[in-house]
Amino acid sequence: GNSVTQMEGPVTLSEEAFLTINCTYTATGYPSLFWYVQYPGEGLQLLLKATKADDKGSNKGFEATYRKETTSFHLEKGSVQVSDSAVYFCALTTNSGAGSYQLTFGKGTKLSVIP
Amino acid sequence: NAGVTQTPKFQVLKTGQSMTLQCAQDMNHNSMYWYRQDPGMGLRLIYYSASEGTTDKGEVPNGYNVSRLNKREFSLRLESAAPSQTSVYFCASRTHGGTKNYGYTFGSGTRLTVV
Repeated sequence: GNSVTQMEGPVTLSEEAFLTINCTYTATGYPSLFWYVQYPGEGLQLLLKATKADDKGSNKGFEATYRKETTSFHLEKGSVQVSDSAVYFCALTTNSGAGSYQLTFGKGTKLSVIP
Repeated sequence: NAGVTQTPKFQVLKTGQSMTLQCAQDMNHNSMYWYRQDPGMGLRLIYYSASEGTTDKGEVPNGYNVSRLNKREFSLRLESAAPSQTSVYFCASRTHGGTKNYGYTFGSGTRLTVV
């Protein structure tokens, strides 16, 4: 089956620090990879995605590259802001039949950025 | 543009009570999903509906039932609530397509406490 492993949190960084959140996966078939962000009290929002090997997803200064050889999709940002404080989820999807494309999530990493 | 709407936002139940969580989407999406989010566990799929008229079990279906009432609405029912069902519940939807642009949209969640 499919699974996603991401680094345990919480992660606390000072403003303008460099961020890396590691994510590795196992999947049957050829997955698409995602990072979702959840701000306090809200639902999940898609942050970025990559659908094939060597693709780089990017959004709001965040980047992640689909590495098939290492089955990884690490999230990075060069300079975090207080407003980036949230929980970040790595996820993947493959076609599980009947076109359902179920998402499989990692456990989430809570990021706190302090001024 | 409402997206995915969940009701209620908060609910407290006594053990053994029943209730239905409502979810509606206005994006003409084919597939709909129910997830639960627990601390340190990420999001886990309860049930999904790949298209109108079909439903299937996900990773953690025990204690739940679902109804795909029409293309817009997908409800989750707890027949006899248990404290283990205390969680935050998210509904999501996505459209079909031959591409990998999966386009999941999440609701803002229902926070359920069973005492």
